[in-house]
Amino acid sequence: SQQGEEDPQALSIQEGENATMNCSYKTSINNLQWYRQNSGRGLVHLILIRSNEREKHSGRLRVTLDTSKKSSSLLITASRAADTASYFCATLGGTSYGKLTFGQGTILTVHP
Amino acid sequence: ETGVTQSPTHLIKTRGQQVTLRCSSQSGHNTVSWYQQALGQGPQFIFQYYREEENGRGNFPPRFSGLQFPNYSSELNVNALELDDSALYLCASSRAQGLVHEQYFGPGTRLTVT
Repeated sequence: SQQGEEDPQALSIQEGENATMNCSYKTSINNLQWYRQNSGRGLVHLILIRSNEREKHSGRLRVTLDTSKKSSSLLITASRAADTASYFCATLGGTSYGKLTFGQGTILTVHP
Repeated sequence: ETGVTQSPTHLIKTRGQQVTLRCSSQSGHNTVSWYQQALGQGPQFIFQYYREEENGRGNFPPRFSGLQFPNYSSELNVNALELDDSALYLCASSRAQGLVHEQYFGPGTRLTVT
């Protein structure tokens, strides 16, 4: 079963604009990770935020985590056409092994 | 690109047949996980292998089985294929570091069952 729900399901913006995607989850977590997937290919790891962190940056990416609300957001600043992809959040927690539980993803389209 | 490779890239099988998918993990990684991704969905965890043993399993029937070899590469076997098994199968390797588990995914194998 899917733990996370992502919002919006699809997002269409112009190049240069910022894109914000949200993720909610249900159970306690050890960390939350964001992945990108281009056209049904493999997943590319973007960023990991631990449960005791509130915000993390990596290049044009900014991730926030609110464990009290069981939610996270991914902000991509100054988007580019190459950012067009599906974005998934995945949570790790509740087991002793590394099972990631993914949301259904947000499809981001950046128009040149 | 990650150092995780998968073969084959695409595969077409008939219902009732058996299939074996292969994955080579990234250098230095001793853990391999397998995920099934149906069209338009997020990946679903099938199972994980650590040091050649299955150490976690998702909600998949026993006809989904796997192996991990001493070099940490892995196989996913699916018996008695059903139409609903059509999906992208992803493997991911990681260096088991407590609960951090940053996983690196391969490009996937697209399985079509007719």
